[in-house]
Amino acid sequence: SAVISQKPSRDICQRGTSLTIQCQVDSQVTMMFWYRQQPGQSLTLIATANQGSEATYESGFVIDKFPISRPNLTFSTLTVSNMSPEDSSIYLCSVSRGSNQPQHFGDGTRLSIL
Amino acid sequence: DAKTTQPPSMDCAEGRAANLPCNHSTISGNEYVYWYRQIHSQGPQYIIHGLKNNETNEMASLIITEDRKSSTLILPHATLRDTAVYYCIVRVVGYGGATNKLIFGTGTLLAVQP
Repeated sequence: SAVISQKPSRDICQRGTSLTIQCQVDSQVTMMFWYRQQPGQSLTLIATANQGSEATYESGFVIDKFPISRPNLTFSTLTVSNMSPEDSSIYLCSVSRGSNQPQHFGDGTRLSIL
Repeated sequence: DAKTTQPPSMDCAEGRAANLPCNHSTISGNEYVYWYRQIHSQGPQYIIHGLKNNETNEMASLIITEDRKSSTLILPHATLRDTAVYYCIVRVVGYGGATNKLIFGTGTLLAVQP
């Protein structure tokens, strides 16, 4: 499976600021996804990062709050904008080599907002 | 909403087989059953998936009932490192990002006891 690196692994931020999370894969992948895992909860899909076009967001998530970039087949970023304590979560990147291939996950970014 | 039902927790003795059940009574003909697990402080790890035949790999076996309304993940010789939350997910495998998203339920917390 692909090796997925997320940076930063954790951060503590002030409310009102923004943080960009990077996801780097060691090989080209067709699909990249961003998930959120709130404390004690399961994972929720934020959006599908599409290479060369705007991300596809799930219900309840908007581009102004979670802008996503995907400039190539090995890299994507998720920005958490204008953060509040409710944004304290683990943010995870996942990748897939194709529609019939399983998704593989990075270890996530633990974000705490003060 | 997740399309699967799992017990919230299970215990298993180290060295014994762990059998994790999952109900997916509304599964469609083109939906696969996927299993992931999440060890504390890590991203979800892909285990195995299947459509209607039983599957086995180096990690586990997947037994799907003939009517496909339920399945069982079997860890043949559980170790302490298998303690994790196990997620059973049904997913359409097709073309396009929308069919590839994973909807996580609450999973089963498997505690392997020494």
